[in-house]
Amino acid sequence: GAVVSQHPSRVICKSGTSVKIECRSLDFQATTMFWYRQFPKQSLMLMATSNEGSKATYEQGVEKDKFLINHASLTLSTLTVTSAHPEDSSFYICSANPAGAPTSAEQYFGPGTRLTVT
Amino acid sequence: AQTVTQSQPEMSVQEAETVTLSCTYDTSESNYYLFWYKQPPSRQMILVIRQEAYKQQNATENRFSVNFQKAAKSFSLKISDSQLGDTAMYFCAFMNLGAQKLVFGQGTRLTINP
Repeated sequence: GAVVSQHPSRVICKSGTSVKIECRSLDFQATTMFWYRQFPKQSLMLMATSNEGSKATYEQGVEKDKFLINHASLTLSTLTVTSAHPEDSSFYICSANPAGAPTSAEQYFGPGTRLTVT
Repeated sequence: AQTVTQSQPEMSVQEAETVTLSCTYDTSESNYYLFWYKQPPSRQMILVIRQEAYKQQNATENRFSVNFQKAAKSFSLKISDSQLGDTAMYFCAFMNLGAQKLVFGQGTRLTINP
């Protein structure tokens, strides 16, 4: 089956610094990747849609200058949390659709990254 | 905007029993997809089952089946012969045709007891 990886799995950073999270599709190409945020014991909330070769589309209420998304290749999307604050601490999950797959195709999820800002 | 509601925050059943998780959604669209995802303690999201709205037949995957009531905008998940490994958070999700964006419900924490 299709595999999506995320790196790092856990990261602790100091308030005010930036941290980058990588999402890779290991055995397929993905023109579209998605970034979600999940607070403890809550659901997944879509933050943005990452499109290869173009700007990401952010959901309402998500600060695009704070959560920078770059989809540089068909297998890699990165989320950079800039000037992180303790309220940015959360579980970040990415997912990807195989390129050329139908819209209804299964999204493959990464294992998530736990970010803690101290 | 579409919304997905799961009214059961937690459920608990004995191993081998059957359990049904509820999900309702709100949309003005006629063509869409519905999903049930499982998130075990590892937090890896796993697709359990998918239903296309244009199909009247309820989807089935081994011990997992759905009861899709389009007019009522209801999409429940039935787990038969429940197993300890079924213990997880279960999320109902909606996707518009062509949109690719998933809208998740609040989740139901299911515990299977030995």
